[in-house]
Formats: sequence, structure tokens, C-alpha cells
Amino acid sequence: SQQGEEDPQALSIQEGENATMNCSYKTSINNLQWYRQNSGRGLVHLILIRSNEREKHSGRLRVTLDTSKKSSSLLITASRAADTASYFCAPDRGSTLGRLYFGRGTQLTVWP
Amino acid sequence: DAGVTQSPTHLIKTRGQHVTLRCSPISGHKSVSWYQQVLGQGPQFIFQYYEKEERGRGNFPDRFSARQFPNYSSELNVNALLLGDSALYLCASSLDPGIWTNYGYTFGSGTRLTVV
Repeated sequence: SQQGEEDPQALSIQEGENATMNCSYKTSINNLQWYRQNSGRGLVHLILIRSNEREKHSGRLRVTLDTSKKSSSLLITASRAADTASYFCAPDRGSTLGRLYFGRGTQLTVWP
Repeated sequence: DAGVTQSPTHLIKTRGQHVTLRCSPISGHKSVSWYQQVLGQGPQFIFQYYEKEERGRGNFPDRFSARQFPNYSSELNVNALLLGDSALYLCASSLDPGIWTNYGYTFGSGTRLTVV
């Protein structure tokens, strides 16, 4: 399977806390992407990390990638209620011409 | 600049009918992909089109078809609708599927299809 599997399936935290979501995959990859989806809406691209990168930052987001363990993590620091959404990882093999394979996602709820 | 636009936003159809969903990519984007997202699941890849040619197809029956027009907009057609086709259909565009930037794909807000 080429899809990523997110863990946990659901995460509930208070505003100000950090949220960590994990992604595991099975194939070799060219890059791995993280997306956010607000309820019933389209996906928003958050960050792309390439296979030769180990860590990447974007604002309050920090993504790590361990290709030896075929895993990635997404850390959201100082969470806000507006971060409430589903988060998906999409490992990409680079040869699949842009197809993304998503898992079921992590549903993050941030309470005010 | 306008993002990826999809129409209609909501649609109700009866089993056995046919449906056409439309997508306009970001200006300059030549690749369009379609995804189906059933409630509670992640999006599942259906098709990718680039330069008006089908470049990839997911594990969907032949009832699903698509095409891309010279202006790079795209249509997804589904024939003989089943109750199980009820889902959010998402369109995503990118400059070129073979060249990765830091920006990934841009998704539209989707079309919510309900089959009754």
C-alpha cells in the first residue's frame, strides 16, 4: 500500500498545548506532504518534506521525517481553536505522477 | 488569483442517473486530479490529467470517466450512480505532476454528491 497511516485517529487538547500527529508508510518515497481539512471542505497543503530532509518548519508547524523508520510527525505548537481540523499525510513515491494516497487522518480538536 | 473552483457545490441525484462535476484549475496549472472522499475516510485518488491526457487512474470502475479541456479545466463523469457514490468529490491542480515545488497540490472546496 502506498498510503500513509495517521496516528492517533483522534486527538483532543486545550488551546496553547502542542499537538503531535504521526504518519507511517510502507514504500520508499520522494517526499511526504501534510494537508489539513476543515469539516467537509477541501484540503489545504501545509508542508512538503523531501526524502533527503529530516526536519522542516513553517510557522507553528514542525515536520520530521525518518526514512529509515518510514515515519513522519507533524507538531503544531501553541494550538488554537482554529487548528481544529482533520490532518492527513500523503507519502509520494515521485513516480506516481502526482497521485496522493491518503489515510484516514487524525481528527484534532482544540478546546478554547 | 482565483483558487481551484468546483461546481456545483452540492448535488442530489437518484440511483441510476448520470452526473457531471466540473473543475477549473488555478491559472497556469496544467495538471488536474480528482479524488473521492467518503464520509470518515481520506480522499481516494480517481484520475489525473495532464496536458489533456489521462496520466493516471485509481481503482474505480469504468462508470467513472473524466476529461481535460484545452483550457485545462476538467470534468468528472459518473454513470449509473449507486448509493455508494455519495461522497465529497475533490479536484486538485498543480503546475506539473513531475516537478515538485514546496507547494504541493491546491485543492478545491469540493462537490458534495448525494445519491438517493
